[in-house]
Amino acid sequence: DIQLTQSPSFLSAAVGDRVTITCRASQGISSFLAWYQQKPGKAPNVLIYTASNLQSGVPSRFSGSGSGTEFTLTISSLQPEDFATYYCQHLNTYSGTFGGGTKVEIK
Amino acid sequence: EVHLVESGGGLVQPGRSLRLSCVASGFTFDDYAMHWVRQVPGKGLEWVSGISWNSARIGYADSVKGRFTISRDNAKNSLHLQMNSLGPDDMALYYCARGGYCSGNSCFGPLDYWGQGALVIVSS
Repeated sequence: DIQLTQSPSFLSAAVGDRVTITCRASQGISSFLAWYQQKPGKAPNVLIYTASNLQSGVPSRFSGSGSGTEFTLTISSLQPEDFATYYCQHLNTYSGTFGGGTKVEIK
Repeated sequence: EVHLVESGGGLVQPGRSLRLSCVASGFTFDDYAMHWVRQVPGKGLEWVSGISWNSARIGYADSVKGRFTISRDNAKNSLHLQMNSLGPDDMALYYCARGGYCSGNSCFGPLDYWGQGALVIVSS
């Protein structure tokens, strides 16, 4: 089974900072990776799909890159509403695996 | 507008069974894969199970394989999760989520719509 390892698991940053989160897959997954944002008490919200495609309605400060085994989510300029937990996910037709999550908190 | 509404959660004794349901609206249900994802409050997301549009392809997390069964009724726009032999590790908020658009037996796309979740509590 494919395992996804996110780093860091916790990140403290200030408004305006550039933030990068990494997701490493235990084997190659091409570009079948999505990124989600989750705020407390809410269901997750998809940000990026197939590694680098911005979901409709998501601000352009979010971007994704990578393929194979290493992927990154970048927030170009952190906004107050971006403080949340972020997850990567490998998803195919009928299965999916999440990374452990990265909590982004205010410095 | 897409809506996913879960039901069937509640308190159940260890070793017993529970069936979750999810009713979908606002999209062509049988065009999409559907998934169940769970989350222990305060912890991370765990993918549980997924099913293609025609039920031809089904997958389970190792943690639930052999105990949980996913199914769908396209005529009723509904998704189900039959959970047997429940244990403390199954206690979580269970989300229904829409997966990728299907073409043939392949479905591609993220989990783009989620329900509000159904809470399952396993306790004697």
